[in-house]
Amino acid sequence: AQSVTQLDSHVSVSEGTPVLLRCNYSSSYSPSLFWYVQHPNKGLQLLLKYTSAATLVKGINGFEAEFKKSETSFHLTKPSAHMSDAAEYFCVVSPNTGTASKLTFGTGTRLQVTL
Amino acid sequence: EAGVTQSPTHLIKTRGQQVTLRCSPISGHTSVYWYQQALGLGLQFLLWYDEGEERNRGNFPPRFSGRQFPNYSSELNVNALELEDSALYLCASSLPAGGLAFHNEQFFGPGTRLTVL
Repeated sequence: AQSVTQLDSHVSVSEGTPVLLRCNYSSSYSPSLFWYVQHPNKGLQLLLKYTSAATLVKGINGFEAEFKKSETSFHLTKPSAHMSDAAEYFCVVSPNTGTASKLTFGTGTRLQVTL
Repeated sequence: EAGVTQSPTHLIKTRGQQVTLRCSPISGHTSVYWYQQALGLGLQFLLWYDEGEERNRGNFPPRFSGRQFPNYSSELNVNALELEDSALYLCASSLPAGGLAFHNEQFFGPGTRLTVL
């Protein structure tokens, strides 16, 4: 069984300040983890993914996430927020069992960026 | 390169009716996935098709079904619509499955918003 918990449903930051979106996961297997972003009226776009290689993963648009097995966390960070980062962000887990299975999505965190 | 396309963009139906949603994957992608994004429930996996076959299914009743055509496009059918079926239905595609399909990046379409009255 697997699950993912996004600890904040809504995060508000000022432009130019750091972003932290929190995600904790639970998985019976060593998981693969993803962050997706969804801008209004658009589909989801992959930001980054962890698949048992380096624990610090760099993604697009300056985002990165660190896989911490001891804390079962995969928090998403960005040093300096931009107005265009305002969107909904989804943390996703998939069991890395070697056989295909379904993705489990978190409930999402809405990021608001203010001037 | 064209992305994943879905049609229609919006749809309004009444309870008990049937609906068909369509998805065209990115050229070269053979796997198609369907997700339901309902208010308050987040994104939930519905179905995965690869090479014309259903590979996996989420926790949805049998009135949710679909198919994949030889050109890899896909349809999602929902029979006997209920009010709680109102949601954004997202389709995604990825490169050929192999054994680790869900580790291939999934590219999402813009979705079809279904409203059931």
